[in-house]
Amino acid sequence: DGGITQSPKYLFRKEGQNVTLSCEQNLNHDAMYWYRQDPGQGLRLIYYSQIVNDFQKGDIAEGYSVSREKKESFPLTVTSAQKNPTAFYLCASRPTYRRSDGNEQFFGPGTRLTVL
Amino acid sequence: AQSVAQPEDQVNVAEGNPLTVKCTYSVSGNPYLFWYVQYPNRGLQFLLKYITGDNLVKGSYGFEAEFNKSQTSFHLKKPSALVSDSALYFCAVRVRGGATNKLIFGTGTLLAVQP
Repeated sequence: DGGITQSPKYLFRKEGQNVTLSCEQNLNHDAMYWYRQDPGQGLRLIYYSQIVNDFQKGDIAEGYSVSREKKESFPLTVTSAQKNPTAFYLCASRPTYRRSDGNEQFFGPGTRLTVL
Repeated sequence: AQSVAQPEDQVNVAEGNPLTVKCTYSVSGNPYLFWYVQYPNRGLQFLLKYITGDNLVKGSYGFEAEFNKSQTSFHLKKPSALVSDSALYFCAVRVRGGATNKLIFGTGTLLAVQP
């Protein structure tokens, strides 16, 4: 899983609670991404950030929030507004040197969130 | 709309036989194409990518893929399957020069290699 860490590995949340998932990378990558994975649906993009202090909504941003205060860190908050948060959450990063958009993304090991 | 299709939810193959995992794409522009593998409860691992040049791309663990522009396909292949190849495989596409650099993923194909 390279130099990307996600914590915790497993997270349990009660309904109505906000929780924050951590994603840290030591690869010096500018771009970072959050995906949600559900069985049979592949990966869906929640938020992404191409540079520090900037981020954009992905395809399923409702009920989630992010921040990008440091290059190394891109935490994801799952709010109580997210109606069906139980899923496997994956963080990824990508180098953007040489302005090449052909570089692949590197993924963290994931966090499995379960709402009780 | 840009999309990636992996028509098979599961592929079964005997150990030692060749394997193919299919992927077709639809994009408005020239694509970058990727294959990733995921083992249970783990993140995705990069296998290989097509950027430009030779249509046959070789990647990790003996896998290769062939870019076919006319058929808009990027099938993953391996000449001789191993039991340890059993995993979930994802195809993904990004449009060259796209404003967002977003990856579009297929829904995944579960590869089961029987001993």
